Amino acid sequence: GDSVTQMEGPVTLSEEAFLTINCTYTATGYPSLFWYVQYPGEGLQLLLKATKADDKGSNKGFEATYRKETTSFHLEKGSVQVSDSAVYFCALTPGGSNYKLTFGKGTLLTVNP
Amino acid sequence: NAGVTQTPKFQVLKTGQSMTLQCAQDMNHNSMYWYRQDPGMGLRLIYYSASEGTTDKGEVPNGYNVSRLNKREFSLRLESAAPSQTSVYFCASSEAAGVVTEAFFGQGTRLTVV
Repeated sequence: GDSVTQMEGPVTLSEEAFLTINCTYTATGYPSLFWYVQYPGEGLQLLLKATKADDKGSNKGFEATYRKETTSFHLEKGSVQVSDSAVYFCALTPGGSNYKLTFGKGTLLTVNP
Repeated sequence: NAGVTQTPKFQVLKTGQSMTLQCAQDMNHNSMYWYRQDPGMGLRLIYYSASEGTTDKGEVPNGYNVSRLNKREFSLRLESAAPSQTSVYFCASSEAAGVVTEAFFGQGTRLTVV
């Protein structure tokens, strides 16, 4: 079945450091890919998405490119801030008439001043 | 605009007790979902409803039942709570099947079964 694998955390960085969180997926067909973020004590909210190969999703300085050849959707940010501290989830929906979200296990990011 | 509202926010149950988690959305979405979040496990789908009047099992349905009461409301019931059901439960909603839109999540219900 469909699955999402993301890098184990936790990840601890200093402010202004470069961030990469790796995400790879297994799915048949042409899935849509998402990154969700969960701030402490809150529900998940969409960070960015990409719906087809070579699409780049971006938001709040974060970027991820849909790479079909490597089945990857890695999250990057050039300069993290303390306010970026959160749990990040990679997710997919298979596409077509199948809309169910499958999530990775999440990566906890802590940014220190 | 409230989005997705879950009640209660916190609950402690004794083993064997029953309870219903309530979820309502005001975005006129067709699809609704219940997930549980456990440390190191990410979010796992319990049940989902593609549209009013339909429900289907997700990855971890055992011990749960759901009701899609109308387009707005989707409840999750634990008939006989077990300690293994201690978790944080999230309700979510999104647009119809085939339309790639984001899922909107509630704030979660933190359930402890003792």
